[in-house]
Amino acid sequence: SQQGEEDPQALSIQEGENATMNCSYKTSINNLQWYRQNSGRGLVHLILIRSNEREKHSGRLRVTLDTSKKSSSLLITASRAADTASYFCATRLTGGGNKLTFGTGTQLKVEL
Amino acid sequence: NAGVTQTPKFRVLKTGQSMTLLCAQDMNHEYMYWYRQDPGMGLRLIHYSVGEGTTAKGEVPDGYNVSRLKKQNFLLGLESAAPSQTSVYFCASSWGEKLFFGSGTQLSVL
Repeated sequence: SQQGEEDPQALSIQEGENATMNCSYKTSINNLQWYRQNSGRGLVHLILIRSNEREKHSGRLRVTLDTSKKSSSLLITASRAADTASYFCATRLTGGGNKLTFGTGTQLKVEL
Repeated sequence: NAGVTQTPKFRVLKTGQSMTLLCAQDMNHEYMYWYRQDPGMGLRLIHYSVGEGTTAKGEVPDGYNVSRLKKQNFLLGLESAAPSQTSVYFCASSWGEKLFFGSGTQLSVL
């Protein structure tokens, strides 16, 4: 079964609105990462948050991590049409070496 | 700077045929990975390598073999393709904690 589950599976918003997507995971992690995938392309790393961090920012991205609830959220502020993509969380498990386990993804559509 | 390059980009096989997917990276990364992506399943790790000459099984290794004879290359082989192996295959490499991905190979097994 998947380590990470994203919610919602799909999200449609208007340009300028904020987009929030959530990730839940099952076991203890070392860090959690978010990746973006444009249609027909490979994944691109967005941001990493470590297990001892609660919040991290990068440009219009804000990531939170709640290890007690085993969940993370990705907030994209002031969304643009170019943000249309699938977003995946990925976890590096404690003692899991250098492997990443990916969630099922959220498809974000930002409409003009 | 090409990053991670996958060949071929598209391939159609008949059941029982064999093929090899090639992944090449020019970033001198130690770690390399093969994932498959299926609708609704996210990415699942097939095999990975922590350095030249090493390979290890991931989450879904059955039906696949890999080799890492050179640091920059990671090959994924299908000895006898099955329709269940129809998928998009992604190679990735890393040195630190974040992965760099290729653009994928779309494989259909009829």
